[in-house]
Amino acid sequence: EIVTTQSPVTLSVSPGESATLSCRASESVTNNLAWYQQKPGQAPRLLIYGASTRATGIPARFSGSGSGTEFTLTISSLQSEDFAIYYCQQYHNWSPAKWTFGQGTRVEIK
Amino acid sequence: QDQLVQSGGEVKRPGASVKVSCKASGYKFTNYGINWVRQAPGQGLEWMGWISGYNDNTNYAQNFQGRVTMTTDTSTTTAYMELRSLRSDDTAVYYCARGPRSVVLPAPSDLWGQGTLVTVSS
Repeated sequence: EIVTTQSPVTLSVSPGESATLSCRASESVTNNLAWYQQKPGQAPRLLIYGASTRATGIPARFSGSGSGTEFTLTISSLQSEDFAIYYCQQYHNWSPAKWTFGQGTRVEIK
Repeated sequence: QDQLVQSGGEVKRPGASVKVSCKASGYKFTNYGINWVRQAPGQGLEWMGWISGYNDNTNYAQNFQGRVTMTTDTSTTTAYMELRSLRSDDTAVYYCARGPRSVVLPAPSDLWGQGTLVTVSS
């Protein structure tokens, strides 16, 4: 099973600054990597898919990059509504499929 | 608009089973699949498995093999997840999320249900 590891566990950032979150897969998932945002009491929301494509309605300050085993989510100029937990998920077309999530990165106000 | 609406919260005894439903609307059910994801209190997201809305093919995570069954009813555009032999550590919010109709067509979960809290307690 592919292991997906996120770092750091917690990121303290001041509003207006940028944040860089990392996700590593134990085997290549090409670009089949998504990022989700989750706020307390809410379902996750898709931010990025295909490693770098923003989902519908997602602001341009969210950007994704990477391929293979190393991926990055960058949030530029953090807004108050961006403080949340972020998860990556690989959804590679293995057979049988085993689509694992990372353990999450909490972005908190510094 | 596209929507997934899940059934209400459940309280179960250890050893019992629970069946959570996920009603899809606003899109063609058979063009997609449904993932099931759970989240224990204060913990991260755990992928449980996937079912195709097209042909009922399934893939289950290793942790749930033999204990989970995912089904669909295309006449009512509803997906179901049944988890058996419940333990206290199965207490979690269970989410359904729209996914690909085939595992060879990789796609993320772009639409999520509101979640169903399942509490397992004696």
